[in-house]
Amino acid sequence: AQSVAQPEDQVNVAEGNPLTVKCTYSVSGNPYLFWYVQYPNRGLQFLLKYITGDNLVKGSYGFEAEFNKSQTSFHLKKPSALVSDSALYFCAVRDEAGANNLFFGTGTRLTVIP
Amino acid sequence: DAGVIQSPRHEVTEMGQEVTLRCKPISGHNSLFWYRQTMMRGLELLIYFNNNVPIDDSGMPEDRFSAKMPNASFSTLKIQPSEPRDSAVYFCASRYSTVYNEQFFGPGTRLTVL
Repeated sequence: AQSVAQPEDQVNVAEGNPLTVKCTYSVSGNPYLFWYVQYPNRGLQFLLKYITGDNLVKGSYGFEAEFNKSQTSFHLKKPSALVSDSALYFCAVRDEAGANNLFFGTGTRLTVIP
Repeated sequence: DAGVIQSPRHEVTEMGQEVTLRCKPISGHNSLFWYRQTMMRGLELLIYFNNNVPIDDSGMPEDRFSAKMPNASFSTLKIQPSEPRDSAVYFCASRYSTVYNEQFFGPGTRLTVL
Protein backbone atom coordinates (compact mmCIF):
# COMPACT_ATOMS: atom_id res chain seq x y z
CA ALA A 1 0.00 0.00 0.00
CA GLN A 2 1.11 3.52 -0.70
CA SER A 3 0.42 6.49 1.52
CA VAL A 4 1.77 9.89 2.39
CA ALA A 5 1.39 11.89 5.57
CA GLN A 6 1.67 15.61 6.12
CA PRO A 7 1.63 15.91 9.90
CA GLU A 8 1.01 19.65 10.04
CA ASP A 9 -2.22 21.18 8.78
CA GLN A 10 -0.83 24.67 9.22
CA VAL A 11 2.65 26.16 9.26
CA ASN A 12 3.32 29.79 10.09
CA VAL A 13 6.67 31.43 9.44
CA ALA A 14 7.93 35.00 9.45
CA GLU A 15 9.01 36.53 6.17
CA GLY A 16 12.72 36.04 5.60
CA ASN A 17 12.94 33.02 7.90
CA PRO A 18 13.59 29.51 6.63
CA LEU A 19 10.56 27.30 6.15
CA THR A 20 10.00 23.57 6.29
CA VAL A 21 6.88 21.66 5.31
CA LYS A 22 7.02 18.04 6.41
CA CYS A 23 6.11 14.91 4.49
CA THR A 24 6.57 11.22 5.28
CA TYR A 25 5.65 8.37 3.00
CA SER A 26 5.04 4.66 2.93
CA VAL A 27 5.60 2.50 -0.15
CA SER A 28 6.64 -1.07 -0.74
CA GLY A 29 9.30 -0.33 -3.33
CA ASN A 30 11.36 2.67 -4.34
CA PRO A 31 9.35 5.89 -4.09
CA TYR A 32 8.71 8.59 -6.62
CA LEU A 33 8.00 11.76 -4.62
CA PHE A 34 6.45 15.04 -5.67
CA TRP A 35 5.58 18.43 -4.19
CA TYR A 36 2.78 20.61 -5.52
CA VAL A 37 1.55 24.05 -4.51
CA GLN A 38 -1.99 25.37 -4.75
CA TYR A 39 -2.77 29.07 -4.65
CA PRO A 40 -6.34 30.21 -3.88
CA ASN A 41 -8.84 29.32 -6.58
CA ARG A 42 -6.17 27.70 -8.71
CA GLY A 43 -5.16 24.20 -9.69
CA LEU A 44 -2.14 22.43 -8.28
CA GLN A 45 1.24 23.47 -9.68
CA PHE A 46 4.23 21.17 -9.77
CA LEU A 47 7.21 22.30 -7.66
CA LEU A 48 9.73 19.47 -7.70
CA LYS A 49 10.19 15.73 -7.69
CA TYR A 50 12.55 13.01 -6.57
CA ILE A 51 12.95 9.97 -8.75
CA THR A 52 16.51 8.83 -8.18
CA GLY A 53 19.99 10.25 -7.67
CA ASP A 54 20.93 13.19 -5.47
CA ASN A 55 18.88 13.28 -2.28
CA LEU A 56 18.60 17.08 -2.42
CA VAL A 57 16.23 18.17 -5.14
CA LYS A 58 15.85 21.77 -6.27
CA GLY A 59 12.66 23.06 -7.78
CA SER A 60 10.69 26.13 -8.72
CA TYR A 61 10.56 29.43 -6.80
CA GLY A 62 13.65 28.61 -4.72
CA PHE A 63 12.15 25.54 -3.09
CA GLU A 64 14.10 22.37 -2.42
CA ALA A 65 13.38 19.05 -0.79
CA GLU A 66 15.53 16.40 0.80
CA PHE A 67 14.84 12.73 0.33
CA ASN A 68 15.70 10.70 3.41
CA LYS A 69 15.23 6.99 2.84
CA SER A 70 15.93 5.90 6.41
CA GLN A 71 13.34 8.29 7.79
CA THR A 72 10.99 7.85 4.80
CA SER A 73 10.69 11.61 4.57
CA PHE A 74 10.67 14.22 1.84
CA HIS A 75 10.47 17.59 3.57
CA LEU A 76 10.04 20.74 1.54
CA LYS A 77 12.32 23.64 2.41
CA LYS A 78 13.16 27.18 1.46
CA PRO A 79 15.97 29.27 2.99
CA SER A 80 14.05 32.54 3.09
CA ALA A 81 10.26 32.67 3.00
CA LEU A 82 8.30 35.23 1.01
CA VAL A 83 4.77 36.42 1.71
CA SER A 84 3.91 35.20 -1.80
CA ASP A 85 4.81 31.65 -0.72
CA SER A 86 1.63 31.55 1.35
CA ALA A 87 -0.41 28.71 -0.16
CA LEU A 88 -1.48 25.11 0.27
CA TYR A 89 1.26 22.55 -0.26
CA PHE A 90 0.74 18.91 -1.19
CA CYS A 91 3.17 16.04 -1.03
CA ALA A 92 2.51 13.03 -3.28
CA VAL A 93 4.05 9.60 -3.71
CA ARG A 94 4.01 6.72 -6.12
CA ASP A 95 5.59 3.31 -5.75
CA GLU A 96 7.70 2.49 -8.80
CA ALA A 97 6.12 -0.94 -8.96
CA GLY A 98 2.65 0.09 -7.95
CA ALA A 99 -0.30 1.92 -9.37
CA ASN A 100 -0.08 4.43 -12.16
CA ASN A 101 -1.50 7.28 -10.11
CA LEU A 102 -0.16 9.50 -7.35
CA PHE A 103 -1.25 9.38 -3.73
CA PHE A 104 -1.59 12.86 -2.26
CA GLY A 105 -1.27 14.01 1.32
CA THR A 106 -3.92 16.10 3.00
CA GLY A 107 -2.05 19.31 2.40
CA THR A 108 -0.29 21.85 4.62
CA ARG A 109 -1.34 25.46 4.62
CA LEU A 110 1.70 27.73 4.78
CA THR A 111 1.26 31.27 5.96
CA VAL A 112 4.20 33.66 5.71
CA ILE A 113 3.77 36.58 8.08
CA PRO A 114 5.10 39.95 6.92
CA ASP B 1 0.80 25.29 -24.79
CA ALA B 2 -2.39 26.46 -23.09
CA GLY B 3 -2.14 23.87 -20.36
CA VAL B 4 -5.00 21.68 -19.23
CA ILE B 5 -8.31 23.32 -20.06
CA GLN B 6 -11.44 22.74 -18.04
CA SER B 7 -14.95 23.99 -18.59
CA PRO B 8 -17.03 25.37 -17.15
CA ARG B 9 -15.03 27.09 -14.42
CA HIS B 10 -18.10 27.45 -12.25
CA GLU B 11 -21.35 25.51 -12.30
CA VAL B 12 -24.38 26.04 -10.13
CA THR B 13 -27.22 23.60 -10.51
CA GLU B 14 -30.15 22.19 -8.65
CA MET B 15 -30.35 18.80 -7.06
CA GLY B 16 -31.40 16.15 -9.53
CA GLN B 17 -29.98 17.86 -12.58
CA GLU B 18 -27.34 16.36 -14.83
CA VAL B 19 -23.92 17.97 -14.73
CA THR B 20 -21.17 17.51 -17.32
CA LEU B 21 -17.63 18.68 -16.69
CA ARG B 22 -15.17 18.87 -19.57
CA CYS B 23 -11.43 18.57 -19.86
CA LYS B 24 -8.92 19.03 -22.64
CA PRO B 25 -5.52 17.62 -21.67
CA ILE B 26 -2.20 18.98 -22.82
CA SER B 27 -1.46 17.86 -26.35
CA GLY B 28 0.72 14.75 -26.40
CA HIS B 29 -0.14 13.68 -22.88
CA ASN B 30 -1.51 10.17 -22.75
CA SER B 31 -2.67 9.87 -19.14
CA LEU B 32 -5.62 11.81 -17.76
CA PHE B 33 -6.84 12.04 -14.18
CA TRP B 34 -10.03 13.36 -12.57
CA TYR B 35 -9.83 14.55 -8.94
CA ARG B 36 -12.33 16.01 -6.50
CA GLN B 37 -11.32 18.43 -3.75
CA THR B 38 -13.38 19.25 -0.68
CA MET B 39 -12.54 20.70 2.70
CA MET B 40 -13.66 17.55 4.46
CA ARG B 41 -12.02 14.92 2.28
CA GLY B 42 -9.15 16.79 0.67
CA LEU B 43 -7.99 15.73 -2.80
CA GLU B 44 -9.47 12.47 -4.03
CA LEU B 45 -8.66 10.62 -7.24
CA LEU B 46 -11.87 9.65 -8.98
CA ILE B 47 -10.66 7.93 -12.13
CA TYR B 48 -7.73 7.90 -14.50
CA PHE B 49 -7.25 6.99 -18.14
CA ASN B 50 -4.22 5.75 -19.98
CA ASN B 51 -4.29 6.07 -23.76
CA ASN B 52 -8.02 6.87 -23.54
CA VAL B 53 -8.77 3.67 -21.63
CA PRO B 54 -10.10 3.84 -18.05
CA ILE B 55 -7.57 2.10 -15.83
CA ASP B 56 -8.85 2.64 -12.32
CA ASP B 57 -12.29 3.99 -11.44
CA SER B 58 -12.31 2.77 -7.86
CA GLY B 59 -12.50 6.33 -6.63
CA MET B 60 -15.77 7.09 -8.38
CA PRO B 61 -18.21 7.59 -5.51
CA GLU B 62 -21.20 5.77 -6.96
CA ASP B 63 -23.08 4.98 -10.12
CA ARG B 64 -24.25 8.53 -10.47
CA PHE B 65 -20.74 9.39 -11.62
CA SER B 66 -19.40 8.41 -15.01
CA ALA B 67 -16.38 9.46 -17.06
CA LYS B 68 -15.47 9.06 -20.69
CA MET B 69 -12.51 9.80 -22.88
CA PRO B 70 -13.62 9.41 -26.48
CA ASN B 71 -10.30 10.61 -27.86
CA ALA B 72 -6.89 11.80 -26.74
CA SER B 73 -7.92 15.44 -26.53
CA PHE B 74 -11.18 15.33 -24.61
CA SER B 75 -12.72 13.85 -21.50
CA THR B 76 -15.97 14.33 -19.63
CA LEU B 77 -17.08 13.68 -16.08
CA LYS B 78 -20.83 13.37 -15.72
CA ILE B 79 -22.96 13.38 -12.59
CA GLN B 80 -26.55 12.26 -13.00
CA PRO B 81 -28.51 13.00 -10.90
CA SER B 82 -26.51 15.54 -8.93
CA GLU B 83 -26.82 15.90 -5.16
CA PRO B 84 -25.75 18.68 -2.77
CA ARG B 85 -22.96 16.48 -1.39
CA ASP B 86 -21.36 16.51 -4.85
CA SER B 87 -20.50 20.17 -4.35
CA ALA B 88 -16.72 20.41 -4.69
CA VAL B 89 -13.94 21.55 -6.96
CA TYR B 90 -13.23 19.03 -9.69
CA PHE B 91 -9.77 18.97 -11.22
CA CYS B 92 -8.53 17.35 -14.36
CA ALA B 93 -4.83 16.58 -14.76
CA SER B 94 -2.76 15.10 -17.54
CA ARG B 95 0.67 13.55 -17.82
CA TYR B 96 2.98 12.44 -20.56
CA SER B 97 3.93 8.82 -20.82
CA THR B 98 6.07 7.65 -17.93
CA VAL B 99 4.91 7.43 -14.37
CA TYR B 100 7.76 9.53 -13.02
CA ASN B 101 6.63 12.52 -15.02
CA GLU B 102 4.63 15.08 -13.12
CA GLN B 103 0.94 15.67 -13.61
CA PHE B 104 -0.25 19.03 -14.89
CA PHE B 105 -3.48 20.25 -13.36
CA GLY B 106 -6.23 22.32 -14.87
CA PRO B 107 -7.77 25.31 -13.06
CA GLY B 108 -10.70 23.24 -11.81
CA THR B 109 -14.48 23.44 -11.99
CA ARG B 110 -16.24 24.66 -8.89
CA LEU B 111 -19.54 22.80 -8.69
CA THR B 112 -22.35 23.90 -6.41
CA VAL B 113 -25.45 21.73 -6.19
CA LEU B 114 -28.36 23.46 -4.45
